[in-house]
Order: sequence, then structure tokens, then C-alpha cells
Amino acid sequence: GESVGLHLPTLSVQEGDNSIINCAYSNSASDYFIWYKQESGKGPQFIIDIRSNMDKRQGQRVTVLLNKTVKHLSLQIAATQPGDSAVYFCAENMAAGGFKTIFGAGTRLFVKA
Amino acid sequence: GAGVSQSPSNKVTEKGKDVELRCDPISGHTALYWYRQSLGQGLEFLIYFQGNSAPDKSGLPSDRFSAERTGGSVSTLTIQRTQQEDSAVYLCASSLGRTGLYGYTFGSGTRLTVV
Repeated sequence: GESVGLHLPTLSVQEGDNSIINCAYSNSASDYFIWYKQESGKGPQFIIDIRSNMDKRQGQRVTVLLNKTVKHLSLQIAATQPGDSAVYFCAENMAAGGFKTIFGAGTRLFVKA
Repeated sequence: GAGVSQSPSNKVTEKGKDVELRCDPISGHTALYWYRQSLGQGLEFLIYFQGNSAPDKSGLPSDRFSAERTGGSVSTLTIQRTQQEDSAVYLCASSLGRTGLYGYTFGSGTRLTVV
């Protein structure tokens, strides 16, 4: 099957610092992108989304940046807290529904107190 | 219901036995996905249902795996003659519409252990 990610990369940050998690997406036709957070023992949870007509969107302590030229997404978390420790996945799709959602490989964020 | 419900939450089975995993999506959600997640790894796509369309089965790893969705709602993932490499967390997700607009809602998963 379509497999996304083996041996997840890990990002370790100090509590209070800002975190930046990066993702390269695969389909240039994708126009809708989502970040998910997965805590231990739980399913992924929606954090924030962005459409391709934007290059930046802000939520509460999170910002998603989209660079369509290089097919790159990033998730910035301000003032990272221990509760932010989780695996973060990006996902891509088309708002018009051209194909199934594709998930990125995932990044494990570890917050040091 | 309020969220995506999966059952059982944990399943231990002997190698060679068949297992059925159940997913109750959010009422009204037309799209339903099954993913597999091995320990410490990413999401492996298995199968995708969208309304009354033929499911996308391209992610099923072998013919021992099958899934159905009855009445456009509840889905069952069946694994026949289980093998130890089938041990993983099986996640179900549903969304309103086929695109996952506003995101998919995931269940908490079924942790399958084949001994």
C-alpha cells in the first residue's frame, strides 16, 4: 500500500521556544492542505488548514506557511509547550476532490521542559 | 455520534485467525478512510470509500484484507488469516464530502496484536 514514513524524523525544542515543522508535498495540483497533530494513543487531530490562494494562515499559537513554487508547507508553533509534544502530519488534497488525501511522513516533536 | 467510533479498541488474536474491525463514522459524513499505522511510523493508506462510488482499494497490502461499507455508514475492515506483520493500529477517518475539506475526523484506532 501507499506508505508514508518510516522512522519518523524528530524535532527537539526547549519549552518556550518556537518550533518549525516542515513538509514537502507531492502533487502540484493540490490546492488544499491540512496539518494534523497525533498524541500518543490517539488518532490524528485537525490543527489548521490552508488553501492554495493563501501563503500564510494563522491560528492560536500556530501559523501555516505555504510555498507553492517549491511545494513546501511549514507549521510554526509559537512558545512551544510540553503539551505540544506529538507527531505532526501534513496532508494534501484538492478542494474539488480530484484524488484521495495524501499524508506526509510525519515529524515527532519533543518539547524539553 | 459526536465523533468517529472504532471497535474494539484493542484486539489480540492468534496467527491465522480472522479479525473484523469496525468503524462508525460521524453521521452524514460521506467519505471514509482506513489507515494503518505501525509503531512509531506514519500513516499507510489502505482503502477509501466515497458515497456510492466504487471504493479505492489501491492501498490494501494483500488479498487477505478487505473492507465494506454498508448503507454508506458503518465500515468493517476484515483481515483473514492474520500474520504477525499485521500487528498495528488501524485508524478510521471520515469527512463531510469527498475532499476532506475542513479535515478528516479520526477515530482513536484499533490496536491489533497478532501473536
